[in-house]
Amino acid sequence: DADVTQTPRNRITKTGKRIMLECSQTKGHDRMYWYRQDPGLGLRLIYYSFDVKDINKGEISDGYSVSRQAQAKFSLSLESAIPNQTALYFCATSDDRQGSSYNEQFFGPGTRLTVL
Amino acid sequence: AQSVTQLGSHVSVSEGALVLLRCNYSSSVPPYLFWYVQYPNQGLQLLLKYTSAATLVKGINGFEAEFKKSETSFHLTKPSAHMSDAAEYFCAVSDTDTGFQKLVFGTGTRLLVSP
Repeated sequence: DADVTQTPRNRITKTGKRIMLECSQTKGHDRMYWYRQDPGLGLRLIYYSFDVKDINKGEISDGYSVSRQAQAKFSLSLESAIPNQTALYFCATSDDRQGSSYNEQFFGPGTRLTVL
Repeated sequence: AQSVTQLGSHVSVSEGALVLLRCNYSSSVPPYLFWYVQYPNQGLQLLLKYTSAATLVKGINGFEAEFKKSETSFHLTKPSAHMSDAAEYFCAVSDTDTGFQKLVFGTGTRLLVSP
């Protein structure tokens, strides 16, 4: 089973609709991240959470909100979707404990979102 | 703030040829640096990372990268390209302001491998 899962994998929605993207992880990591990927722009950080009670805005948080329901779950919401939010969205996790994987981020398979 | 620059949005090589993907970073303190690979329709997978232990870092699938402080570079190389190496590659630097736990990604380089 995948360590970081995202649902749905693909979603087509209309302008103005509310949509939620979900991320779950079984790695036991405290830190979770949401990114969006656009062609030619790489990955840009939307929100990040260092534990259940700590949520921070990234560089492009406008138009998005998040919820950290539990250590293992981190959801991204678009309250009123617009076409320029069409992108590939990735969830990632990382371990805050010193060890071989310290500072490495582990990515989910992505959600392709299209806003018409 | 930290940043990375990847030169060349696309790099084309022939199978068996040397692969060189360039990455330059900007950081006021010794950084952690990463190369990730993204195969079609998949998430990102770590290729290798530099954490100051050794300047030449070996990763998976025959890739390696050398940290050069004087050039602020962390270029990715592979001696002989394989068709399966065709993918998009991202360089990333850790954000020291958050205790190295945020990553700043470059814009990516798509590697094309021809027979």
